[in-house]
Amino acid sequence: GDSVTQMEGPVTLSEEAFLTINCTYTATGYPSLFWYVQYPGEGLQLLLKATKADDKGSNKGFEATYRKETTSFHLEKGSVQVSDSAVYFCALSDRGTGGFKTIFGAGTRLFVKA
Amino acid sequence: DGGITQSPKYLFRKEGQNVTLSCEQNLNHDAMYWYRQDPGQGLRLIYYSQIVNDFQKGDIAEGYSVSREKKESFPLTVTSAQKNPTAFYLCASRASGRGDYSNQPQHFGDGTRLSIL
Repeated sequence: GDSVTQMEGPVTLSEEAFLTINCTYTATGYPSLFWYVQYPGEGLQLLLKATKADDKGSNKGFEATYRKETTSFHLEKGSVQVSDSAVYFCALSDRGTGGFKTIFGAGTRLFVKA
Repeated sequence: DGGITQSPKYLFRKEGQNVTLSCEQNLNHDAMYWYRQDPGQGLRLIYYSQIVNDFQKGDIAEGYSVSREKKESFPLTVTSAQKNPTAFYLCASRASGRGDYSNQPQHFGDGTRLSIL
């Protein structure tokens, strides 16, 4: 079945450091890929998405490129801020399974130190 | 603004008691979902509903029940059969219908934290 694997956390960085959070997936169909962010005590918010191969999603300085050849959707940001401290979830939604379910990764916690 | 409202934010359950978590959305979405999140863990799907008067079990439905009598509302009942109910519960909705809606993101409420007294 479909699955999402993302790097284990926590990831601890200093302010202005470069961020990469790895995400790989398996899917039987043609999935759309998402990154969500969860701040403490809140629900998840959509950060960015990409719906087909080679698409790049971007938002608030974060980027991720849909790589079909490596089945990856790694999240990157050139210079993190303390306010980026949160849990990040990679996810996919696959038309082949009806598209009604979203498969989430386990989440990666990011701590950014001032 | 459109969105999802979960209530209450905090809820306490006594032994042997059923409790109901509210989820209301004004996004006109057909699909709604309930997830459970344990500390430091990812999301696990409890139930989902693709349309009014229809719902399906997710991965961890035992000890939970739902109803979908109105498009806007998808309440979750945590029954006394759920022996370990302490968790953070998240409700979500998504646009859906005929055709491919898999590129639509889920929209989440701010969650209900359930604890045992």
